[in-house]
Amino acid sequence: QKEVEQDPGPLSVPEGAIVSLNCTYSNSAFQYFMWYRQYSRKGPELLMYTYSSGNKEDGRFTAQVDKSSKYISLFIRDSQPSDSATYLCAMSAGGGNKLTFGTGTQLKVEL
Amino acid sequence: DAGVIQSPRHEVTEMGQEVTLRCKPISGHDYLFWYRQTMMRGLELLIYFNNNVPIDDSGMPEDRFSAKMPNASFSTLKIQPSEPRDSAVYFCASRVAGAGELFFGEGSRLTVL
Repeated sequence: QKEVEQDPGPLSVPEGAIVSLNCTYSNSAFQYFMWYRQYSRKGPELLMYTYSSGNKEDGRFTAQVDKSSKYISLFIRDSQPSDSATYLCAMSAGGGNKLTFGTGTQLKVEL
Repeated sequence: DAGVIQSPRHEVTEMGQEVTLRCKPISGHDYLFWYRQTMMRGLELLIYFNNNVPIDDSGMPEDRFSAKMPNASFSTLKIQPSEPRDSAVYFCASRVAGAGELFFGEGSRLTVL
């Protein structure tokens, strides 16, 4: 069983929809949680970074961490075609040197 | 800043050949990471350096893989001899000490026939 599980999708939604992306994990030592966005044929880029449990909002993006359930989520409001990409969750126990990534969820936002 | 620069962007080679991938991290970044990405396994950390010194190479799959960082602005990942199962996208990433964000290059897509 993988340490981090993520539904690969693909997930297809209409423009303007609210998107929910999720990851579950098994290592209770994880404290740092990240979401990366990866466009086709590009490297991942950091989208959201949270420490421990709670919510963090940045524009149309909200990251949630529930450590008791070992579950993290990324919500995208008013989704746009430019949000079409693969979203990778990542986490680490300390500092961020050894990140464990999910396999990514492919999202397509259609006009 | 130009970001993390990787070369070559694409490499097609035959089984048994030596492959060398190159990376120039962002100037001033203390940490450099090599990752491999496949559909089945996602992004896997191979090795990382701090101030040019290898800190953790536990992700290097086998002795055919080696990595060096001779100075702060250059690193190589070498596969010798290459095998078809090494086909993947190899990413280099860098960051500053104390910061969480990793900056990735655009990757080197390797195909071993």
